[in-house]
Amino acid sequence: DVKVTQSSRYLVKRTGEKVFLECVQDMDHENMFWYRQDPGLGLRLIYFSYDVKMKEKGDIPEGYSVSREKKERFSLILESASTNQTSMYLCASRSGLAGRWDEQFFGPGTRLTVL
Amino acid sequence: GESVGLHLPTLSVQEGDNSIINCAYSNSASDYFIWYKQESGKGPQFIIDIRSNMDKRQGQRVTVLLNKTVKHLSLQIAATQPGDSAVYFCAEISYNQGGKLIFGQGTELSVKP
Repeated sequence: DVKVTQSSRYLVKRTGEKVFLECVQDMDHENMFWYRQDPGLGLRLIYFSYDVKMKEKGDIPEGYSVSREKKERFSLILESASTNQTSMYLCASRSGLAGRWDEQFFGPGTRLTVL
Repeated sequence: GESVGLHLPTLSVQEGDNSIINCAYSNSASDYFIWYKQESGKGPQFIIDIRSNMDKRQGQRVTVLLNKTVKHLSLQIAATQPGDSAVYFCAEISYNQGGKLIFGQGTELSVKP
């Protein structure tokens, strides 16, 4: 059974803290993605990675960075958390640019609250 | 910029009825469309897709219709069941724009027993 796991389901942090959100996939996928999901705005792409040590900005990268040191793991970093980063964060992975979209799988999400 | 949106944010149907969830898209050059289902506490799950050169595609109890003339996409669920209760998203992909998914806001489907 394919799986994308995220390190935390719920997280509460304070403004200014450094926050790490971890995502691990066990499908040997090349592509991994970080989205945030907000009411009325849908899912928006923050960053993605085509391969180890590669990263590309998505549509809303400001305030975030990422790390992909191993193929199976893609980390999202909030260098200095702010209240407007309170959101649901979803990780996803897919087999390749030419891969089928029915083979893109999402993790369960991390609901981050920044106080 | 380009966007994908849904006509109705909520939809309530009786168990056993058919459900229709609608989506409007604005990029006439989009190549591919996907419907996702997101249950409470879970990430989105792929339901069905359709290429821009098709106007209809059927799956198990689900049908997606694409009307490129009016840039409209719909998801039809036959004999809706309580387990169908979820938020449904449409998404579009334009390969000449990097092949990134652009998601709609979502419609919450509630099935009454």
